[in-house]
Amino acid sequence: GAGVSQTPSNKVTEKGKYVELRCDPISGHTALYWYRQSLGQGPEFLIYFQGTGAADDSGLPNDRFFAVRPEGSVSTLKIQRTERGDSAVYLCASSGTGGFADTQYFGPGTRLTVL
Amino acid sequence: TQLLEQSPQFLSIQEGENLTVYCNSSSVFSSLQWYRQEPGEGPVLLVTVVTGGEVKKLKRLTFQFGDARKDSSLHITAAQPGDTGLYLCAGGRQGGSEKLVFGKGTKLTVNP
Repeated sequence: GAGVSQTPSNKVTEKGKYVELRCDPISGHTALYWYRQSLGQGPEFLIYFQGTGAADDSGLPNDRFFAVRPEGSVSTLKIQRTERGDSAVYLCASSGTGGFADTQYFGPGTRLTVL
Repeated sequence: TQLLEQSPQFLSIQEGENLTVYCNSSSVFSSLQWYRQEPGEGPVLLVTVVTGGEVKKLKRLTFQFGDARKDSSLHITAAQPGDTGLYLCAGGRQGGSEKLVFGKGTKLTVNP
């Protein structure tokens, strides 16, 4: 079956521009997570959705970052007024229920480069 | 702030050698997971441990969760070039969003 997919795989933008990153989770998974992985670091939590609602957005670094999941499946991470420090690989993961120790399946990520 | 410290950060060994990587924290976690990540791909789950003192084996890989649930280790026996990759530990806390807190990873290279 299909795993988690993310588009685009690479995105190059200029400082100050707006970008959208898309995540297609595994069909039927109610929990969806966004993480950010900078060079030489492990993934860092950004936001967690349970269904359509953001259940935990404590990892979003500031109000330039926003994410939606309007129909409880596909999610979009939106970054306004991009800065060079936003350059990283943005990973999406989904799990069946988001319950205790539920396996999170990761997509391949979107590599964002802000020039 | 990294709550999980992994060591060593880099490890280069010859095929056939044994190795151990460590994951340590001052915090208690409800679950501890180990992932392997290859370049250009997302992390792939290897194992989840949830009970203090728990030991799990996956072929040549042995995972242990510390008694106090603050640390873990991954031991690989007779390493092979196919074991090359970035090994990440991640902690989860029950009752929350199950967001994972990751260490920085151990980059393992197994030379033929």
